[in-house]
Formats: sequence, structure tokens, C-alpha cells
Amino acid sequence: DVVMTQTPVSLSVSLGNQASISCRSSQSLLHDDGNTYLSWYLQRPGQSPQLLIYLASNRFSGVSNRFSGSGSGTDFTLKISRLEPEDLGIYYCFQHTHLPLTFGSGTKLEIK
Amino acid sequence: EVQLVESGGGLVQPKGSLKLSCAASGFDFNAYAMSWVRQAPGKGLEWVASISIKTQNYATLHVDSVKERFTISRDDSQSMVYLHMNKLKTEDTALYYCTVSASGGHASWGQGTLVTVAS
Repeated sequence: DVVMTQTPVSLSVSLGNQASISCRSSQSLLHDDGNTYLSWYLQRPGQSPQLLIYLASNRFSGVSNRFSGSGSGTDFTLKISRLEPEDLGIYYCFQHTHLPLTFGSGTKLEIK
Repeated sequence: EVQLVESGGGLVQPKGSLKLSCAASGFDFNAYAMSWVRQAPGKGLEWVASISIKTQNYATLHVDSVKERFTISRDDSQSMVYLHMNKLKTEDTALYYCTVSASGGHASWGQGTLVTVAS
């Protein structure tokens, strides 16, 4: 199985600053069709997860441009700029290049 | 507006069965693959199963831990997706989310239905 390793496990960032979360996969996520099936999700406290970024770097409809995704192969990063109170929660990366599909273990973002 | 409403969760004894349902609306259901993702209490997310669309022969995928026990299915005429769960184990206790597979990810999520497996 592809293991998705997220770091850090938790981080505390001041409002207005930038947060950065890393996700590393144990195998390349480049699919034979040329796409990289890596997505990012935010789960706010008490809520269902929501899609932020798909195909590693594409912002989902309605998602603030403060969120950006980058990376390729096995190394990926989610950056959140100008942190706002509603950004707190747990962030997950997810791969669906290889079976079984797997999530990272999550990064808890707290507001300092 | 996309809406996914899960139902069918509850308390069930080990080795018991349960059928989860997800009613979808607000989008062209026939055109999208659907999935179930679960979250054990206080834990992270785990993909459980996915089903493709008619033109892809409704192909299904299941995580190994539920193969031979769970089956995902869909009814396009009713815009419904199901998860048939048999031989339930205590480790299947979780909040089960229904999702729309689109845009290279789980584009929309329901509120979830809680399954508790305990004696």
C-alpha cells in the first residue's frame, strides 16, 4: 500500500501568517495517464471534510486563493497564506493513483 | 447545490449486517463515480469503496479490510448509492461518509452516518 506521510502532525500559526504542510508518498503518484492524483482536504471541527486542492495543484471551485498546492512525484506541499480563523482544523492529503486509495494521517492546524 | 444524505447507520452486534444508503441530488448523478469514506472515532479518514458509472460497467473497488464483507452498489434511477455491510467487526465502528468522486478527488461529502459495532 502507498503510505502517505504528513508533517508536521500539528502546527500553531498566528493569524495573518503562512502555514505549510508536507505530504510524502512511499511511491510516485504520477499515473500512467499523466495525471498526479493527489488531493488535499480540510476537516473543520465537527464538520465533514471538504476538498481544497485536486491533481496536486488545482484549487477546487469556491476555495480561497490563499490555499495553494504544489509538488510532484512523491513530495507535495499545501500552503495556506494570510491565515484566518476559519482555517483551523485537520488537513489530510489523499492519493488515488494506486490501489488501495490512501489518506495521510492528518495535520492539525491551530491558530496561535 | 450538491446534497448527499446518508442513512442506515446504527448499533449492530459483531457479525451482524447493515445497509447504508446515500441519497444524492443537485448534480448529474449518472455521470459521477461515488465512494464511501469512513472515520473511526477520534481517528483519521479511510477510503472504503468506490463505484464507477454505467459507461465504465459500474466497476467497484473495495479496501482489502472490507473485501468479501462489504459491497458498494448504486441505483442511477433513484440517485442512490449503497454500502452493504456483512460480518461486521468492532473495528468497523466509524462515521461513514458518502462522497462524489470528481475533479480528481472527493468533491462533495455528506454529513455521515454512524455505525457502531458492539455487543
